[in-house]
Amino acid sequence: GIQVEQSPPDLILQEGANSTLRCNFSDSVNNLQWFHQNPWGQLINLFYIPSGTKQNGRLSATTVATERYSLLYISSSQTTDSGVYFCAVESGYKLSFGAGTTVTVRA
Amino acid sequence: ETGVTQTPRHLVMGMTNKKSLKCEQHLGHNAMYWYKQSAKKPLELMFVYNFKEQTENNSVPSRFSPECPNSSHLFLHLHTLQPEDSALYLCASSQEVVALGVEQYFGPGTRLTVT
Repeated sequence: GIQVEQSPPDLILQEGANSTLRCNFSDSVNNLQWFHQNPWGQLINLFYIPSGTKQNGRLSATTVATERYSLLYISSSQTTDSGVYFCAVESGYKLSFGAGTTVTVRA
Repeated sequence: ETGVTQTPRHLVMGMTNKKSLKCEQHLGHNAMYWYKQSAKKPLELMFVYNFKEQTENNSVPSRFSPECPNSSHLFLHLHTLQPEDSALYLCASSQEVVALGVEQYFGPGTRLTVT
């Protein structure tokens, strides 16, 4: 099956800092989503982005499908950005998830 | 109520108990999913239902029994569980099975502890 690798596994930020999370995948995909899992376990949809660039407030994402990677940018980080960020790609009509990047934003 | 809801949010059960997890989606979707998330592990897909029909069983032990009576409701019946089954169980839905243009939405999860 398709392999999804996320880096870095852990990220500690000072409030106000910017960061980039990366997702590499091993095959071409039609569907890629970024999620944020909050401390209570809820997975929140951030972006549906099989290709191109999208922005939503302080978050933006870029997927370069031909090179099999996606990037999630967090700008001016806030403590509420803490949690685990997952990348998931479509493989055989189902989503395959990466192991996630755990982000801790310190005040 | 909107989105995907799950009940209960927390469940503690003994190995000989029988319990059920419930998921309901209010999005008009036709596909529903059960995932298991254990500590320090990626999300594992357990079951997929499309238009009430099971289309995927990802080698899940028979002590987990799913039921999908209609496109809005999904249950996970639990019996004779093991302590290693303790995990966060997440339900999700999408308009159709995942493909181009289809986005998946998750419920808040049920945190299960097997004692």
